[in-house]
Amino acid sequence: GDSVTQMEGPVTLSEEAFLTINCTYTATGYPSLFWYVQYPGEGLQLLLKATKADDKGSNKGFEATYRKETTSFHLEKGSVQVSDSAVYFCALSDLYSGAGSYQLTFGKGTKLSVIP
Amino acid sequence: EAGVTQFPSHSVIEKGQTVTLRCDPISGHDNLYWYRRVMGKEIKFLLHFVKESKQDESGMPNNRFLAERTGGTYSTLKVQPAELEDSGVYFCASSRGLAGGEDTQYFGPGTRLTVL
Repeated sequence: GDSVTQMEGPVTLSEEAFLTINCTYTATGYPSLFWYVQYPGEGLQLLLKATKADDKGSNKGFEATYRKETTSFHLEKGSVQVSDSAVYFCALSDLYSGAGSYQLTFGKGTKLSVIP
Repeated sequence: EAGVTQFPSHSVIEKGQTVTLRCDPISGHDNLYWYRRVMGKEIKFLLHFVKESKQDESGMPNNRFLAERTGGTYSTLKVQPAELEDSGVYFCASSRGLAGGEDTQYFGPGTRLTVL
């Protein structure tokens, strides 16, 4: 079945440091890929997405590129802020997984802490 | 527009008791999903409604879980009787059901269930 693997946390960075959170996937068909973020005390929010190979999703300074050849969707940000401290989840939806549903398959989440 | 809401935000019950979780999707969203995150594990899909019909319930763990969406509006997820391993955070998400991988699921804040 489909699966998502993302780097284990927690990750602690100083403000203005460069961030990379690795995410790789396995899927039956041609999935859409997502990064969701959960800030402390809040629900999951969509951060960015990409629906086909070579697409780049971007939002709030974060970027991720859909790499079909390496089955990856790594999240990057050039300069993190304290307000970026949150848990980040990589996910995919694959209509052709056999369930006939756009259910999301998630990675385990990576907790990021940014210190001043 | 109002987001996805869930009630209660936190529930503490004893093993063997019954709990009912509620989810109100974004108005006009025909698709409604339930997910669960058990401590330390991935967020896992439970089931998917399209309007009032169950499209996919392949993630429901066992027959102690019953989900309904009467009238195609809000949904309830009942756990009866609750077991210790049911503890976790239950998320609800809704979407318009756009085709071609363009669909985006919007999540509620979750209900934290603790079974003692």
